[in-house]
Amino acid sequence: AQRVTQPEKLLSVFKGAPVELKCNYSYSGSPELFWYVQYSRQRLQLLLRHISRESIKGFTADLNKGETSFHLKKPFAQEEDSAMYYCALGFTGGGNKLTFGTGTQLKVEL
Amino acid sequence: GAVVSQHPSRVICKSGTSVKIECRSLDFQATTMFWYRQFPKKSLMLMATSNEGSKATYEQGVEKDKFLINHASLTLSTLTVTSAHPEDSSFYICSAGQYESPLHFGNGTRLTVT
Repeated sequence: AQRVTQPEKLLSVFKGAPVELKCNYSYSGSPELFWYVQYSRQRLQLLLRHISRESIKGFTADLNKGETSFHLKKPFAQEEDSAMYYCALGFTGGGNKLTFGTGTQLKVEL
Repeated sequence: GAVVSQHPSRVICKSGTSVKIECRSLDFQATTMFWYRQFPKKSLMLMATSNEGSKATYEQGVEKDKFLINHASLTLSTLTVTSAHPEDSSFYICSAGQYESPLHFGNGTRLTVT
């Protein structure tokens, strides 16, 4: 069975500090990993996916199959980054069915 | 960008009644729609996968007779909570996708059963 673990429920950083939101997954096949973000009072939206290998809003995430991780990073946190972040796992043959982690609330303080 | 509309955003109903929640893909045809339930400070729990024109596939532990899902067209899926009870009070979210493309989410529906 697939599983996604986000160990931190809340991460608080100061503006300008580096951010790392942790995500570990468990899946025996070839995974597809995503990060979704939910800003206050807004819907969940895709932030980035590992296969596109792009940087969105300064965030990057690298899939590490050895460590089964897909941590989300940003070198300098901005106040507008404060939001709920969910790591999600797609799997072979699952279409676009996703397994979500429990989410990490990022709070960027001034 | 792709938009998914979910309606209503909030609903309060009495115990024993049924409530229908709609999920529409506004500018694309969704081959698959998903229904989730979100508990406070917890993850999104997938309830069922809905494919147009076929029966929904429910996740283990989700009562199909209680949570009726209909996906009548490529742009509309509905979730009906039948004979609602207070423990059904929750935040329900739908998402829609096209084949293996990334999902787009609705704004969610806050259901309160009194």
